[in-house]
Parts: sequence; structure tokens; C-alpha cells
Amino acid sequence: NAGVTQTPKFQVLKTGQSMTLQCAQDMNHNSMYWYRQDPGMGLRLIYYSASEGTTDKGEVPNGYNVSRLNKREFSLRLESAAPSQTSVYFCASSELRVGNQPQHFGDGTRLSIL
Amino acid sequence: DAKTTQPTSMDCAEGRAANLPCNHSTISGNEYVYWYRQIHSQGPQYIIHGLKNNETNEMASLIITEDRKSSTLILPHATLRDTAVYYCIVRAMNSGNTPLVFGKGTRLSVIA
Repeated sequence: NAGVTQTPKFQVLKTGQSMTLQCAQDMNHNSMYWYRQDPGMGLRLIYYSASEGTTDKGEVPNGYNVSRLNKREFSLRLESAAPSQTSVYFCASSELRVGNQPQHFGDGTRLSIL
Repeated sequence: DAKTTQPTSMDCAEGRAANLPCNHSTISGNEYVYWYRQIHSQGPQYIIHGLKNNETNEMASLIITEDRKSSTLILPHATLRDTAVYYCIVRAMNSGNTPLVFGKGTRLSVIA
């Protein structure tokens, strides 16, 4: 059972290049999330998708776009990468039903922008 | 969601119980207490959650005080692989699928 799978695991980009981070989950979850984590800090939400066909901005959406391709996949795109976007990016998913459901995370994509 | 306060770091001897405290004095009646951990270079991992009763699963136990203003996560027999940052998060029952808010957490070091 793979859970949440993120690709690639590592990437180095030059300033101005574009890139799409991929995320897929096999738990049939409705909701998916993209977070970033900078050194010594907690996770900050970039975008989330409560259900297939919907997306919403989180705390730090500037410079990013997302696509909920289908129920399984939620991608994060950097159109013009900037050094400030150097970070570790985590994708997560959770069920959509009444009450609190835990979020399940992938192992992250480590992105460096030169 | 209510604010939480955790110690910055703790040490625990291997094989002993690790008791990680969390203060959430402003918690309201419909808010759950969640615990996650993040092992170095990995994504956060869900551990346990509870509302007012103590909870236990294969990973840990969660003890919530009667007034619900604080809680303790207990790892009964800590191993070196339990070295991680542990996050206590309070979240409303009707949060639906809104995102988690992670603070700084407690860095637990399990020592051989």
C-alpha cells in the first residue's frame, strides 16, 4: 500500500524555470493538500483541494498553481521559479466525511532554486 | 483552532517511556487534540487523536486532562527510531477538510 506518492524526490532548477510537482494517493481520499516546509519551521499550506474539481488557496499561494487532475492526483506548478521557493514540498490527503480525519503525507520533494 | 504550547526539546532513554506534554488552555468543547510526528527527511506521520477520553493505539497513548486544557502523548517504550519532532494540534470537530496548522513542535531525542 503506497499511500501518498510524490515525484520527483529531488530537483534543482534555475531561476525562471518552470516545473510541476506530482502527487498521487491510492487511499480513495477526496481531499488533497500541498504544504511547504522551510528549515526550522512548521509546514505552511500552499493550496488544497477539498474534493475533485475544487481548489482553494492556503496561507502562501503566491507563485504557485495547482491542478486536481482526478481524484487520485493533485499537481503543484511553479511557472517561474524563484530562489524564495527553495523548500521541501509535502503533499497530503484525507477522507471527506463528518468529523476529523487525519491527513496522510508523502515523503516530500526537495526543491532547490539557484 | 486553539493555540498549543509544547516544550522545544526533550530527551528520553531508549526503552523508557517518553511523555510529551502539550498545553491547550483555550481549547473549546468541539476541538480534538491531534498528534503527528516528523522523522528527519520524511513527511509528517499521524499518531493519534482524541476528544476527551484517553486513547491508545499501536503507536502511542494519549492522556487528556479532565478540564481538557492539556494532554500528554506517551510512547511506552521509546526506540531510537522514535527520534523526531512531535506536533500537538488542536482542531475543531467541524473543520472538515481544512488544512492542519503545524507549530514548532517538540524535538524528541531518544538516547541509547
